[in-house]
Amino acid sequence: QKEVEQDPGPLSVPEGAIVSLNCTYSNSAFQYFMWYRQYSRKGPELLMYTYSSGNKEDGRFTAQVDKSSKYISLFIRDSQPSDSATYLCAMKNSGYSTLTFGKGTMLLVSP
Amino acid sequence: AAGVIQSPRHLIKEKRETATLKCYPIPRHDTVYWYQQGPGQDPQFLISFYEKMQSDKGSIPDRFSAQQFSDYHSELNMSSLELGDSALYFCASSSRAGNTIYFGEGSWLTVV
Repeated sequence: QKEVEQDPGPLSVPEGAIVSLNCTYSNSAFQYFMWYRQYSRKGPELLMYTYSSGNKEDGRFTAQVDKSSKYISLFIRDSQPSDSATYLCAMKNSGYSTLTFGKGTMLLVSP
Repeated sequence: AAGVIQSPRHLIKEKRETATLKCYPIPRHDTVYWYQQGPGQDPQFLISFYEKMQSDKGSIPDRFSAQQFSDYHSELNMSSLELGDSALYFCASSSRAGNTIYFGEGSWLTVV
């Protein structure tokens, strides 16, 4: 079993929809949680960073972490066609460790 | 803001040849990571450096080597290239005290 599980999609939604992207993980030592957006043939772009459990909001994006359930989410409000990309969750267990990624979820937002 | 710079962006090599990728981290970042991403795959960690010393090692083949220089830039050397080495290679950087890791645009390697 992979340490981080993420549904690869694709997830297709109409413009303006609220999108929910999720990851589950098995390593209870993970403390730092990130969401990256990756357009085709481009580098992953850091969207959200959260430490431990809780919520964090930045514009149309909200990240949630539930460590008791080992479950993290990214919500996108008022989705736009430009949000169409692959979204990768990533996590690590300390400031000195490397990232463990999910497989990524492909999101398609249609006009 | 300055980002992670990688070069070259694209390169094509033949089997058994050698390739070198370069990475220039964000200014004041002292930690560099290398990742390999195959088509439709998530990034796989290869190796990382902190203050010019190897700090962690992932699934890096023995045919590959890397180092970090005094100006904090890093190079990934790949020898005896195989068709399966064709992938997108990312460099990422962070500061040791920080927990956010920023990626470059990647170097596309095609082995023919």
